[in-house]
Amino acid sequence: NAGVMQNPRHLVRRRGQEARLRCSPMKGHSHVYWYRQLPEEGLKFMVYLQKENIIDESGMPKERFSAEFPKEGPSILRIQQVVRGDSAAYFCASSPDTSYGYTFGSGTRLTVV
Amino acid sequence: ELKVEQNPLFLSMQEGKNYTIYCNYSTTSDRLYWYRQDPGKSLESLFVLLSNGAVKQEGRLMASLDTKARLSTLHITAAVHDLSATYFCAANNAGNMLTFGGGTRLMVKP
Repeated sequence: NAGVMQNPRHLVRRRGQEARLRCSPMKGHSHVYWYRQLPEEGLKFMVYLQKENIIDESGMPKERFSAEFPKEGPSILRIQQVVRGDSAAYFCASSPDTSYGYTFGSGTRLTVV
Repeated sequence: ELKVEQNPLFLSMQEGKNYTIYCNYSTTSDRLYWYRQDPGKSLESLFVLLSNGAVKQEGRLMASLDTKARLSTLHITAAVHDLSATYFCAANNAGNMLTFGGGTRLMVKP
């Protein structure tokens, strides 16, 4: 049973470009969470999704950021018009339901140049 | 709003010594997690603590939870170099979202 798969592992974007980060949850997990980790800091919650639904996006910046978890395929975190301050590690986690703890993926490290 | 604070933020220890990392959280939470993170890596789950007085041990690490004091501790016994990493505690909000502490960077010197 593969763990939570994130790709790419590393992503370099120029300012103003778009970044797309992908997350495939563990088999049987329908709950997906995205977190951001700035250098030397803890993880900060961004968004919580279930299949085809955004449950809580209270941690997501209001502009340029969006997330989806379609019926088929991975969850996508999309950052439009990236800026240097978006440089961070983005972690995805999944769980089978809300009574379980969850498993983190290996993360995508985004660098904006 | 749930807030989680860890201390110390940085800890340099000699091998063989004992030390404790503290994690305070501001509002009621029904689960407390401890994770380990190596540089450039993901988070490895160490412990999940569910109830007041819970104590869990794995090797040289022992975690405890006092829900009345809203305090969890991670105790390190006879530290070894392999324990060098950053340790995070996290408490869950409603809906299973986690609020993380700022992390404790542990360096164990020979």
